[in-house]
Amino acid sequence: DVKVTQSSRYLVKRTGEKVFLECVQDMDHENMFWYRQDPGLGLRLIYFSYDVKMKEKGDIPEGYSVSREKKERFSLILESASTNQTSMYLCASSFQTGKYNEQFFGPGTRLTVL
Amino acid sequence: DQQVKQNSPSLSVQEGRISILNCDYTNSMFDYFLWYKKYPAEGPTFLISISSIKDKNEDGRFTVFLNKSAKHLSLHIVPSQPGDSAVYFCAASGVLSGTYKYIFGTGTRLKVLA
Repeated sequence: DVKVTQSSRYLVKRTGEKVFLECVQDMDHENMFWYRQDPGLGLRLIYFSYDVKMKEKGDIPEGYSVSREKKERFSLILESASTNQTSMYLCASSFQTGKYNEQFFGPGTRLTVL
Repeated sequence: DQQVKQNSPSLSVQEGRISILNCDYTNSMFDYFLWYKKYPAEGPTFLISISSIKDKNEDGRFTVFLNKSAKHLSLHIVPSQPGDSAVYFCAASGVLSGTYKYIFGTGTRLKVLA
């Protein structure tokens, strides 16, 4: 079974802090994604990566950056956390880009920024 | 502008009856569609998909229908069970303006009443 793990289930940070969210997948997937889920807005793509050291902006990249130094690991960085970044963050992975690709999700990290 | 819409934020159905979840999309270049189910405190999991060359795909109690002319898809669950209570997301994928896109809807919360 594909397993996608995220470093924390719950996280509380203060405004202005630098925040790291880690995601690891164990199925040698090329693609990895970071989404945030907010009520009424569904899942919105922040960044994705289709290969090591490669990254592409999603629909809402402002205030975030990412790092993919190893194939299995994809990190989301909030450079200076703000209260409007309080959200559920979901990491996902999939095989090579293509239309027949289901994404496999981690359990999510609920981040609260005070 | 929301390219994939789920206009019903919630739906309640009696156990044993049919659940119908709807999804509309705006761009005819989407050519593959997926449904995911999400339980609280878990990441979404893939449920069923359909290619644009088909108009129906069935997997056990779950059937997805695609109406390309109306840019509409629906997920039918028959019979509905209490364990089906979850948030359901539709997703559409395809190459839009030269870029591969995978876009989720806003979700519909299904409650199956025992």
